[in-house]
Amino acid sequence: DIQMTQSPSSLSASVGDRVTITCRASQGISDYLAWYQQKPGKVPNLLIYAASTLQSGVPSRFSGSGSGTDFTLTISSLQPEDVATYYCQKYNNDPWTFGQGTKVEIK
Amino acid sequence: EVQLLESGGDLVQPGGSLRLSCAASGFIFSSYAMSWVRQAPGKGLEWVSAISNTGEGTYYADSVKGRFTISRDDSKNTLYLQLNSLRAEDTAVYYCGKLLRYCRGGTCYSRVTDFWGQGTLVTVSS
Repeated sequence: DIQMTQSPSSLSASVGDRVTITCRASQGISDYLAWYQQKPGKVPNLLIYAASTLQSGVPSRFSGSGSGTDFTLTISSLQPEDVATYYCQKYNNDPWTFGQGTKVEIK
Repeated sequence: EVQLLESGGDLVQPGGSLRLSCAASGFIFSSYAMSWVRQAPGKGLEWVSAISNTGEGTYYADSVKGRFTISRDDSKNTLYLQLNSLRAEDTAVYYCGKLLRYCRGGTCYSRVTDFWGQGTLVTVSS
């Protein structure tokens, strides 16, 4: 099965910083990749699908890019409400594996 | 407004069985594929299973294949997950999810969860 590896596992940044999270697939998955945000104590929320398509209602400071094996989620200007754990998920074929998560905190 | 309400979580002994339900409302249930994702306490998300809108296609993680069965009853707008031969490592919050349907290049996909329920806790312990 294809493994999904996120980096870093956690990060701390200041409000207004540009934040980048990386997700790497062990084999090519085209652009069949989604990103989710899970705030503490809450259910996950879809941010991006098809690697770069912003889900309706998601702030434009979130963006996704990549294809094949390397993908990134970027928050252009970190806000206090962005404190959360972020997960990538591949879905080219089953199993639709998640990455291990990246925890984002405010410095 | 899309609503997904899971139920059926409980404390069960290893080797036991449980059936989870997810009551859906606010959308045409029979038109959408659905999924289950779980999260062990303090851990990350793990995809468990999915079912097509027709019920003809079912998909499972290797960790639950042969033990769990996903099904749906469109007359009741309800998704189910039958859990058999439960193990301690199955302890988790189980989330029901509606799958987003999107199309491009003449092909449509239903593999991304755009709405989540609040989850139901399954604890496997003696």
